[in-house]
Amino acid sequence: NAGVTQTPKFQVLKTGQSMTLQCAQDMNHNSMYWYRQDPGMGLRLIYYSASEGTTDKGEVPNGYNVSRLNKREFSLRLESAAPSQTSVYFCASAQGEGRYNSPLHFGNGTRLTVT
Amino acid sequence: QKEVEQDPGPLSVPEGAIVSLNCTYSNSAFQYFMWYRQYSRKGPELLMYTYSSGNKEDGRFTAQVDKSSKYISLFIRDSQPSDSATYLCAMSETGNKLVFGAGTILRVKS
Repeated sequence: NAGVTQTPKFQVLKTGQSMTLQCAQDMNHNSMYWYRQDPGMGLRLIYYSASEGTTDKGEVPNGYNVSRLNKREFSLRLESAAPSQTSVYFCASAQGEGRYNSPLHFGNGTRLTVT
Repeated sequence: QKEVEQDPGPLSVPEGAIVSLNCTYSNSAFQYFMWYRQYSRKGPELLMYTYSSGNKEDGRFTAQVDKSSKYISLFIRDSQPSDSATYLCAMSETGNKLVFGAGTILRVKS
């Protein structure tokens, strides 16, 4: 009953370092999403993948890249981390895309600090 | 101006109280409206959803949408300490590309 699994749970980076956040879902969902959550800002969409093989930019894509490795896995890469990327990152998945009765299932987040 | 506005709270109420949580929005094309609940150090989980205007009830929870006023509400009856969490409103034009409010922190005191 894992649902959406994110690794790592915590990470501290220095400015300019790179890293990849991993996400995997075991619900056979088609669409996957990366959000960041900042105090007072709510959740903002970084990138999403409506289906295996496709990715699209969300509201705040600058400084990030994504890879939909297969149906289960969707990774988020920071090529050169900046302090402004300090945030909590959430991965989510959903059965469909564009259907109101296809709710997002979230992981428990990766807490990233960039110094 | 943010597309979705939500009072961040915190909102502190005694156990058993009726809680009202609200969001306003500016995009008249929104037609799917959701409420997510987020416990500390956890990811959000879907609590309620409605399509277009109207009310929806599920146990102690009632969601209301007033598209003419661009205003949505979540009511919690007989609030419990276990309801203490952050409540996020979310909405979209087409389904899963959601725009979230900043979240309201709710504390229910026993």
